[in-house]
Amino acid sequence: AQSVTQLGSHVSVSEGALVLLRCNYSSSVPPYLFWYVQYPNQGLQLLLKYTSAATLVKGINGFEAEFKKSETSFHLTKPSAHMSDAAEYFCAVSDLGAGNMLTFGGGTRLMVKP
Amino acid sequence: DADVTQTPRNRITKTGKRIMLECSQTKGHDRMYWYRQDPGLGLRLIYYSFDVKDINKGEISDGYSVSRQAQAKFSLSLESAIPNQTALYFCATIGDTGELFFGEGSRLTVL
Repeated sequence: AQSVTQLGSHVSVSEGALVLLRCNYSSSVPPYLFWYVQYPNQGLQLLLKYTSAATLVKGINGFEAEFKKSETSFHLTKPSAHMSDAAEYFCAVSDLGAGNMLTFGGGTRLMVKP
Repeated sequence: DADVTQTPRNRITKTGKRIMLECSQTKGHDRMYWYRQDPGLGLRLIYYSFDVKDINKGEISDGYSVSRQAQAKFSLSLESAIPNQTALYFCATIGDTGELFFGEGSRLTVL
């Protein structure tokens, strides 16, 4: 079985500060990992994904995430927060061998203070 | 037009009523999913379908049923709605690299 834990249901940063959203996963097979973002009153859209290529993955809007197998982590970072980054972020793990089943973490709401 | 379309976007209903949420997609994908989103719980899988003839229960299927009318259409039904089914519901399809493509969600309130 696979699972995802996102540490911190709410994270608050100042505009221009580093954004760090934490994600730890468990999976019985090499995982595919994803970060999705949900803006208010919208569906989820893909930020970035790890599919066993480079361990540092760059996504949209200046976000990136690093796959660390030894730590079973896939933390999301952005060097400088912008007001428009305020949203809810979801980490997800997929076991493609089991039929593309994505399991989501509980989400982290990012607030950006001016 | 959106790749994954859900209707209705918002619905308020009463306990015991039958509700259907509809989903259609233009991605041409075989695999479709229904998730529900609750605060702090992320998205949880209700049902999924690998093709028109293949329907599978997810982790929280009790109280729900689905119908895959065509490759492009996958509907979710609540036969007798109850208040704890108040949630935001998402339909999604999946691409070859495992990326999910989501609809914009259907917000259901059961009074």
